[in-house]
Amino acid sequence: DTEVTQTPKHLVMGMTNKKSLKCEQHMGHRAMYWYKQKAKKPPELMFVYSYEKLSINESVPSRFSPECPNSSLLNLHLHALQPEDSALYLCASSQDLGVTGEQYFGPGTRLTVT
Amino acid sequence: GQSLEQPSEVTAVEGAIVQINCTYQTSGFYGLSWYQQHDGGAPTFLSYNALDGLEETGRFSSFLSRSDSYGYLLLQELQMKDSASYFCALGTNAGKSTFGDGTTLTVKP
Repeated sequence: DTEVTQTPKHLVMGMTNKKSLKCEQHMGHRAMYWYKQKAKKPPELMFVYSYEKLSINESVPSRFSPECPNSSLLNLHLHALQPEDSALYLCASSQDLGVTGEQYFGPGTRLTVT
Repeated sequence: GQSLEQPSEVTAVEGAIVQINCTYQTSGFYGLSWYQQHDGGAPTFLSYNALDGLEETGRFSSFLSRSDSYGYLLLQELQMKDSASYFCALGTNAGKSTFGDGTTLTVKP
């Protein structure tokens, strides 16, 4: 099973809202990733977790707050977003950081900030 | 920093073979990956090369030359469903992947 699930599929939020994106994998992977992807652009790495600890933060604004409650779950908490944050948010996992070249992506959450 | 270059568009006919090249610059190298992404979908892992040479997975093959900072994805027996964007991605520090801008492949009947 190489499935990564993400909820919700679509999200519309106002600039004053607080919402969370959720990601789950049951492949026993110990590395999990958040990416942001704008239309016609490549995925851009935001955060990397390894063994439930934050390993990489690519200078992401604090209005995005990641959380890894356990080895299967990854959340992205959103607060006071801007319209330019509208994008497809992708979660991915890999066996561990040593196999970062083989990542499995979830279907993404399409976020619209109004 | 890291940078990758790949062609923005490639067109081929059904049944043909197409090669998508990727050149890169990096200060640290872990491996080169390839992902496929259909419109509206998520990236799907295709292949990964950490060492020089050819990796074959069904109709898809990927090649790496670390001395030339170059790799390619070879798609054989093209099918209409292969029309998609293809990204090469550079793994540098453990956990960090940088994606190229993507190549849009259009397969025509």
